[in-house]
Amino acid sequence: GENVEQHPSTLSVQEGDSAVIKCTYSDSASNYFPWYKQELGKRPQLIIDIRSNVGEKKDQRIAVTLNKTAKHFSLHITETQPEDSAVYFCAASGYSTLTFGKGTMLLVSP
Amino acid sequence: DTAVSQTPKYLVTQMGNDKSIKCEQNLGHDTMYWYKQDSKKFLKIMFSYNNKELIINETVPNRFSPKSPDKAHLNLHINSLELGDSAVYFCASRSEPNNSPLHFGNGTRLTVT
Repeated sequence: GENVEQHPSTLSVQEGDSAVIKCTYSDSASNYFPWYKQELGKRPQLIIDIRSNVGEKKDQRIAVTLNKTAKHFSLHITETQPEDSAVYFCAASGYSTLTFGKGTMLLVSP
Repeated sequence: DTAVSQTPKYLVTQMGNDKSIKCEQNLGHDTMYWYKQDSKKFLKIMFSYNNKELIINETVPNRFSPKSPDKAHLNLHINSLELGDSAVYFCASRSEPNNSPLHFGNGTRLTVT
């Protein structure tokens, strides 16, 4: 089955800095790669996703890049704000399931 | 008008008891899931149903039995609860098998004492 590795497990940045979270996947058949943000005590919520026919996607301060050859994808957050503090999950979708990375706890200090 | 709703939100029970968690989605999705999130925040797939039929059953003890009476509902029954079952259980749904986002419910925090 699919295996998704996510790094780093924790990331501390100062407000205004950029943050980058990286993921690799194992199944070359995976074709959908969403990113979820989970605030403390809440459900994971989709923040951005990318499909395998696209190399990059941007939504305001958030961007995702995908390298299918290398089987890795990354989340980039620019101009971080304290409210960006949360756990971020990458995921890869194969035939019928979404496999998640182990999460990155992002801490943005004012 | 919550899209994916699950009940209860909190469940505290003793070892050995049997409990159920209910999930309903009003998005018209064909596929529903149960995920378990442990204390380390890892989200692990447990079950997946497509149009009331089981399509994924990961390595989950047979004390866990999902039931899907129709494609809008996926309930989870747990027998003989153990301490290690303590976790947050998320129900989720999506419209297609493999290239659309998951919509999560708000989670059920299960504590077994």
